[in-house]
Amino acid sequence: SAVISQKPSRDICQRGTSLTIQCQVDSQVTMMFWYRQQPGQSLTLIATANQGSEATYESGFVIDKFPISRPNLTFSTLTVSNMSPEDSSIYLCSVEKSDTQYFGPGTRLTVL
Amino acid sequence: AQSVTQPDIHITVSEGASLELRCNYSYGATPYLFWYVQSPGQGLQLLLKYFSGDTLVQGIKGFEAEFKRSQSSFNLRKPSVHWSDAAEYFCAVGPSNDYKLSFGAGTTVTVRA
Repeated sequence: SAVISQKPSRDICQRGTSLTIQCQVDSQVTMMFWYRQQPGQSLTLIATANQGSEATYESGFVIDKFPISRPNLTFSTLTVSNMSPEDSSIYLCSVEKSDTQYFGPGTRLTVL
Repeated sequence: AQSVTQPDIHITVSEGASLELRCNYSYGATPYLFWYVQSPGQGLQLLLKYFSGDTLVQGIKGFEAEFKRSQSSFNLRKPSVHWSDAAEYFCAVGPSNDYKLSFGAGTTVTVRA
């Protein structure tokens, strides 16, 4: 398995601002993923982040809105840019190990 | 394209009673199947997974799931529910080549005393 931490655990932000979420894993992994979970909804994949290459975004998500960094094999960041109330969600990172995804605790974001 | 259906949005069960959560998937090849649990305010915890072999898989916390290819199902069961099992349960399916997962809508389990 993997132990994953995220910072911050929660935040309340004003519309028009940006927030960067950090994801740290306790071992080196090739593939990391970022998901969004809107209130009362299931998880939707935002992008796949592999170290050494550009993130791959799913349909409906763009790099200008959700820039991702992956500087090494244990760390990634997701920025939610120019936020609006519709961005209020839980954002989760996950890592792939042995064909299985393991999830972090999530970042609960509220945009006012 | 792969997809997952969890027909039950909400299930209420008495403590000590049995629990079964349904999951149906659509996928062209043999899928990788997962059940995750999300307690309030928490991330997702892996309960169990199926890749191949024995179609009845055992997981953590006393849960088990059975893969039935003919029914495209992967239902989760627990013989005796504890109050701490109250949570949101997600079924997920993924291919083996890119590790992307598709999640069902989730089933909320309420446990009454």
